[in-house]
Amino acid sequence: GAVVSQHPSRVICKSGTSVKIECRSLDFQATTMFWYRQFPKQSLMLMATSNEGSKATYEQGVEKDKFLINHASLTLSTLTVTSAHPEDSSFYICSARDSGARGHGTQYFGPGTRLLVL
Amino acid sequence: QKEVEQNSGPLSVPEGAIASLNCTYSDRGSQSFFWYRQYSGKSPELIMSIYSNGDKEDGRFTAQLNKASQYVSLLIRDSQPSDSATYLCAETSGGGADGLTFGKGTHLIIQP
Repeated sequence: GAVVSQHPSRVICKSGTSVKIECRSLDFQATTMFWYRQFPKQSLMLMATSNEGSKATYEQGVEKDKFLINHASLTLSTLTVTSAHPEDSSFYICSARDSGARGHGTQYFGPGTRLLVL
Repeated sequence: QKEVEQNSGPLSVPEGAIASLNCTYSDRGSQSFFWYRQYSGKSPELIMSIYSNGDKEDGRFTAQLNKASQYVSLLIRDSQPSDSATYLCAETSGGGADGLTFGKGTHLIIQP
């Protein structure tokens, strides 16, 4: 149980285009999902918290108009990188918290999406 | 700003020995602590979670938490070459509603 999927796993795009990444919780409902970014040899940095049916909460320094987040259902959150540039190339990883779990809400991570902007 | 500190390593341990990984955190309000394993090019995989002071054991893994010292550790017994990876310490203070703050990770190498 507690499986999170991401699609696509890898994407290469031209500078200026937009890229959408999907994150799905496959066997549990997640009112809250999280989006992280990891640059080479760095740790994961939280970008935003995605809440089902409401606006996402962005961490300081993350542009909400550039990284659009939609959490339309209890099992799906999407991250759209708009007008991508080479500096946006990174490993994007989502996680989901099991809404039905009591207590501390362990986060389960998706397999990640590697974005390369040329 | 919350910080989680880890020695980046590499930490080299002979096969079959005990690997000891350490982590300190800055926020006294932190409630939940996690150890994740990350292989190169892959996303993190949950190894252990711990919420109360003391030890928590799961198979070959033991997590230790000392809130007074703001210290978390992970022991891996009978280390195997497949345990070679980067181990990430993470914390959250929101009982699960907040995102995780990660350390930079310790690169562990198990020598056959």
